[in-house]
Amino acid sequence: SYELTQPPSVSVSPGQTAKITCSGDALPKQYAYWYQQKPGQAPVLLIYKDTERPSGIPERFSGSSSGTTVTLTISGAQAEDEADYYCQSADSSYTYVVFGGGTKLTVL
Amino acid sequence: QVQLVQSGAEVKKPGASVKVSCKASGYTFATYYIHWVRQAPGQGLEWMGIIKPSGGSTSYVQKFQGRVTMTRDTSTSTVYMELSSLRSEDTAVYYCARGPPGTPYWFDPWGQGTLVTVSS
Repeated sequence: SYELTQPPSVSVSPGQTAKITCSGDALPKQYAYWYQQKPGQAPVLLIYKDTERPSGIPERFSGSSSGTTVTLTISGAQAEDEADYYCQSADSSYTYVVFGGGTKLTVL
Repeated sequence: QVQLVQSGAEVKKPGASVKVSCKASGYTFATYYIHWVRQAPGQGLEWMGIIKPSGGSTSYVQKFQGRVTMTRDTSTSTVYMELSSLRSEDTAVYYCARGPPGTPYWFDPWGQGTLVTVSS
C-alpha cells in the first residue's frame, strides 16, 4: 500500500524557521495537503494543493513541492505552533487517501 | 460559518455497533462530500471512506468493508457513520470532515470528533 513518510519530531527555537518534510512516490503526480492538530482538538487545514493557504491561516505557514518530497515551512515559529502536523495525499489512481504518520513540532 | 457538529462520546461492548452523527450547517449540504477519519489513542489519522450527500453514494476503505455504513438525511443535513462488530482496536476518535466535490480528496473543516470506546 502507498505510504507517506514524515519525521516523527522536529524542534525549533522561537522565531526560527521549521521545516517538516513528507515523502511519497506519487507526490510528483498528486497534490499534498497539510493539517495542524493541537492536543484534544480536531485537525485544521493549513495548506492545500501543495502551496495554497486557506483564508485565516497565518502567512508564516507555507508549502512547497519538489519531486517526491513536499515541505511545510513555518517561518518565525511561535509557541502556539507546537502541535502535530500531518501531510495527506492520494495514491496515483485516486483510489484512496493516505496520511503521513505525523510530525510533532516542539518550539523551545 | 461552515460547521460540522458531531454526536457525543460512546462506550460500547465488543461485538456491538455504534452510530455517530455529523450535522452540517453554513453551506449547501448536497454540494460537498463528507469523509470519515478516525484516530486511535496516540496514533495518526486513518481515512475510512466517503459519502456524497447529493445521491448518497459511498466508497469505503477495504479494511472497513462489510462493517461500516455511511448514510445521510438531507432533510436535516446530517450524515451518519455506523460501525458494527466492534472490537477493542476500534477505540478511537471518529471525525467527519467536509471535502470539495470530485478528486483529489481533502478535508476542511472537520467536526469536533466523537470518542468511541470499546470495552467489556
